[in-house]
Amino acid sequence: EPEVTQTPSHQVTQMGQEVILRCVPISNHLYFYWYRQILGQKVEFLVSFYNNEISEKSEIFDDQFSVERPDGSNFTLKIRSTKLEDSAMYFCASRVGLAGETQYFGPGTRLLVL
Amino acid sequence: AQSVAQPEDQVNVAEGNPLTVKCTYSVSGNPYLFWYVQYPNRGLQFLLKYITGDNLVKGSYGFEAEFNKSQTSFHLKKPSALVSDSALYFCAVRDALSNFNKFYFGSGTKLNVKP
Repeated sequence: EPEVTQTPSHQVTQMGQEVILRCVPISNHLYFYWYRQILGQKVEFLVSFYNNEISEKSEIFDDQFSVERPDGSNFTLKIRSTKLEDSAMYFCASRVGLAGETQYFGPGTRLLVL
Repeated sequence: AQSVAQPEDQVNVAEGNPLTVKCTYSVSGNPYLFWYVQYPNRGLQFLLKYITGDNLVKGSYGFEAEFNKSQTSFHLKKPSALVSDSALYFCAVRDALSNFNKFYFGSGTKLNVKP
């Protein structure tokens, strides 16, 4: 069964450094998402991406964040200058594109900013 | 505003007993509701969804959920719990005002099934 994959599974970085989190969505899916889960808190929407552009973003997704689909398979989340409060589990998700269709989530990248 | 509430942080049940994990929602328009399960160090796995049709939805691993419009609830149920069902369960609702289907998640309920 096709799955969403994410790399790395864990990343430790210093405050102020740039990080890139990578995702490979399911191959025939058209909509892509990033969510994050700060330890002990809810899973929160960050951004959705469709047709090579951001379609929707939350107030969390400020100028320090960017997303890209550099080729036909990868979907990346870049944090330009990490802050301590960016420490969280980051989940990528994708869906085919029909109304009401399920989002399928990757295993997540646990980011720790020191 | 769209939102989901899971009123219980934790649910404890003995193996073989029925389990219920509660979820209530608040949406504009028709609710599209989902349940996901998260095992330790794993991602969110889809269990089941309600879009339209029968109020009782059946999903993976013997789970089912009952949509109740008058009570704005979508409780997750299983007739006979297994120890392996122990995990974190999240209810989610699609933002009906979003053209791109973003989800709002509940805070999660930890299910402990004891042998």
